[in-house]
Amino acid sequence: NAGVTQTPKFQVLKTGQSMTLQCAQDMNHEYMSWYRQDPGMGLRLIHYSVGAGITDQGEVPNGYNVSRSTTEDFPLRLLSAAPSQTSVYFCASSRTGTGFYGYTFGSGTRLTVV
Amino acid sequence: AQSVTQLDSQVPVFEEAPVELRCNYSSSVSVYLFWYVQYPNQGLQLLLKYLSGSTLVESINGFEAEFNKSQTSFHLRKPSVHISDTAEYFCAVIGTGGGNKLTFGTGTQLKVEL
Repeated sequence: NAGVTQTPKFQVLKTGQSMTLQCAQDMNHEYMSWYRQDPGMGLRLIHYSVGAGITDQGEVPNGYNVSRSTTEDFPLRLLSAAPSQTSVYFCASSRTGTGFYGYTFGSGTRLTVV
Repeated sequence: AQSVTQLDSQVPVFEEAPVELRCNYSSSVSVYLFWYVQYPNQGLQLLLKYLSGSTLVESINGFEAEFNKSQTSFHLRKPSVHISDTAEYFCAVIGTGGGNKLTFGTGTQLKVEL
């Protein structure tokens, strides 16, 4: 099925561990982004990419790295996990050119850092 | 840059009663507006959008929203809610001048009770 696939769905990390959240889309969308969702704070943009080889920071980028080597994949790396990074992470993609296509969201990764 | 305010964090309502979820935005440029819905433990799904034309837009499941430029609002309404409408609702905005960075409100939890 076409869409945005996120793995894993759940993850528990210990403080200081590193991990990569995977995001893949098969719609040939040029724009991809990562959001974190926290209670009472809505969705906040972490990083985004407008195409392969191009990434930029969003609202809350500290502690996270991204790369975009292909159009399909946009992994999010936590270099040294902290309890403050406990959250639900969503990947989203869209066509570029205009903003009115809206986003397609993945089903999310629920991360707990202990 | 744009911003979105959803003043109501929670809205309890009885089944078959009407509901309004409020959304106000701030922007120095023209905008596109969206409502997304998130059912428990799922990702976000597009509910409806305003791009241009008629200021009243409707979804397939009975929700409607009206774009009011003078009041910078995009309130979501439904004349008669169902238990299955229980979800979190996010208002989002993006400038019409290009780019894909969607800005979300903090969300409103709609809880429909019998």
